Amino acid sequence: EIILTQFPATLSLSPGERAILSCRASQSIGSYLAWYQQKPGQAPRLLIYDAFNRATGIPARFSGSGSGTDFTLTISSLEPEDFVVYYCHQRISWPRTFGQGTKVEIK
Amino acid sequence: EVQLVDSGGALVQPGGSLRLSCSASGFTFYAFSMDWVRQAPGKGLECVSRISGNGANTYYADSVRDRFTISRDNSDNTLYLQMNSLRPEDTAVYYCVKVNSNWDYDYWGQGTLVTVSS
Repeated sequence: EIILTQFPATLSLSPGERAILSCRASQSIGSYLAWYQQKPGQAPRLLIYDAFNRATGIPARFSGSGSGTDFTLTISSLEPEDFVVYYCHQRISWPRTFGQGTKVEIK
Repeated sequence: EVQLVDSGGALVQPGGSLRLSCSASGFTFYAFSMDWVRQAPGKGLECVSRISGNGANTYYADSVRDRFTISRDNSDNTLYLQMNSLRPEDTAVYYCVKVNSNWDYDYWGQGTLVTVSS
């Protein structure tokens, strides 16, 4: 099973600041990594697929990078609705696994 | 518009059984694999099971293998998860999820809560 480790667990920032979230895989997963956003009481939503492609309808302030074992989700300028939880997810092998999540909170 | 409506969650005693359903609409159901993903209260996400579009191939997480069975009825656009020998650690919100052509999760149900407790 591929383990995904996200850091930091919590990111405390102010609106307008840049957020950088990291995800490390226990073995190489190529570019088969996605990022999901989850708001309280809602199902997750796909933000980024294949490491750097924005899903339909996702604002340009969200961007992804990385390959192999190290990946990054960047939010260029935080909006109030961005202060929620983010998960990385690998699709290269079963069982599909998620990171434990990074919570972006208002400082 | 794609819609996934999860149902069947309930309070059940340890060792009991439950069947979850997911009614799908707005897309060609038989053409896509479907997953069940669960989330324990206040915790992260876990992929529980997958079924291919024609139902011929199924996959399970080790934590549920031999206890849970995924199935689908393509004539009725419905996904199922039969859960037997339930344990307290199976307590979670269960989401049915559509797997897109890139093998990502593009649509999620609203989730149904399963609580295993005496």
